[in-house]
Amino acid sequence: AQSVTQLGSHVSVSEGALVLLRCNYSSSVPPYLFWYVQYPNQGLQLLLKYTSAATLVKGINGFEAEFKKSETSFHLTKPSAHMSDAAEYFCAVTLNAGKSTFGDGTTLTVKP
Amino acid sequence: DVKVTQSSRYLVKRTGEKVFLECVQDMDHENMFWYRQDPGLGLRLIYFSYDVKMKEKGDIPEGYSVSREKKERFSLILESASTNQTSMYLCASGQGGVYEQYFGPGTRLTVT
Repeated sequence: AQSVTQLGSHVSVSEGALVLLRCNYSSSVPPYLFWYVQYPNQGLQLLLKYTSAATLVKGINGFEAEFKKSETSFHLTKPSAHMSDAAEYFCAVTLNAGKSTFGDGTTLTVKP
Repeated sequence: DVKVTQSSRYLVKRTGEKVFLECVQDMDHENMFWYRQDPGLGLRLIYFSYDVKMKEKGDIPEGYSVSREKKERFSLILESASTNQTSMYLCASGQGGVYEQYFGPGTRLTVT
């Protein structure tokens, strides 16, 4: 069975500060990992994905994530937050057949 | 760009009504999914389909059914709507295997 835990349902940062959203996974086989972003009243869109190539993955809008097998983690970071980054972020794990398990989400607030 | 469309953005129905939510994708994806999204609970999979006329139950299929008669279209049916089915419903599609999913904008359903 696979599962995803996102630590912190709400994260608040100041504009220009580092963004760190935490995701830990549980999987019996090497996972494929994804971060999605959801803006208000919209569906989810892909930020980045890890599919067993490089462990440091770069995504859109300046986000990146590092796969750490020893820590079973896939934390999302951005060096400098922008007001437009305010959204809900979801970590997801996929094993096979395209079926994913999503975390409960982390709402990011960016203060001016 | 992949496009996933959902028939309604907002829907209000009465208890006991039969409700149809339609989803169409334009990328010839094998897989299609229906999720419901509730605050603090993340995304929960209701049903998914990996081919025409094929379906599998997700984590919370009770009270729902689905239909996939054509590859591009996946319908979610609430046979007799109840107030606890008030939620945001998200449709997604994806290629087979461990690829990312593409989401529609969502349908916010209110059952009164």
